[in-house]
Amino acid sequence: KQEVTQIPAALSVPEGENLVLNCSFTDSAIYNLQWFRQDPGKGLTSLLLIQSSQREQTSGRLNASLDKSSGRSTLYIAASQPGDSATYLCAVANNDMRFGAGTRLTVKP
Amino acid sequence: DTAVSQTPKYLVTQMGNDKSIKCEQNLGHDTMYWYKQDSKKFLKIMFSYNNKELIINETVPNRFSPKSPDKAHLNLHINSLELGDSAVYFCASSQRASGYTGELFFGEGSRLTVL
Repeated sequence: KQEVTQIPAALSVPEGENLVLNCSFTDSAIYNLQWFRQDPGKGLTSLLLIQSSQREQTSGRLNASLDKSSGRSTLYIAASQPGDSATYLCAVANNDMRFGAGTRLTVKP
Repeated sequence: DTAVSQTPKYLVTQMGNDKSIKCEQNLGHDTMYWYKQDSKKFLKIMFSYNNKELIINETVPNRFSPKSPDKAHLNLHINSLELGDSAVYFCASSQRASGYTGELFFGEGSRLTVL
């Protein structure tokens, strides 16, 4: 059964800093991996989707990488802003989508 | 236009009652899901339907019964509500083909509080 782990559980950084969020999974036979953002009391917003055949995806200040063989993905956020404060979740697709517990990010002005 | 919409957004009810949450998607996806997010914010899959057929049924009490009248709708009915059922329930949809799971889109969530 797929298990997804996200490290760190919480992260606080000053504005402007570059940061990396980590996601690891136990079963490398995945179809894709997706990164989401969740604001307090809100639903999940899709940030990036990486297919199993891809190594990375980029959207604006966000870059997600995937190393399927080692069961790892990273989400890189460049030049962080207070508006980036949220919980970031990674989800891995086998026959369904399994989620990590998330990383709660706080960007201080 | 909202892609995945669920109603109600908030639901407060007494223990022992029966309640339903409705979900609709207008993305043309063939697969819909129900997820539960508990107080620790962990998101766990409950059910998945593909073209109205149940394909995933995690270890969920049989008081929870999903119903899919068509592939654009997946409703969740809960009988004999218990305090531990209090959570946020999220509906989601994606497109599947030969085991491939496409991008997942979520609704805004339905916050259920059982008193």
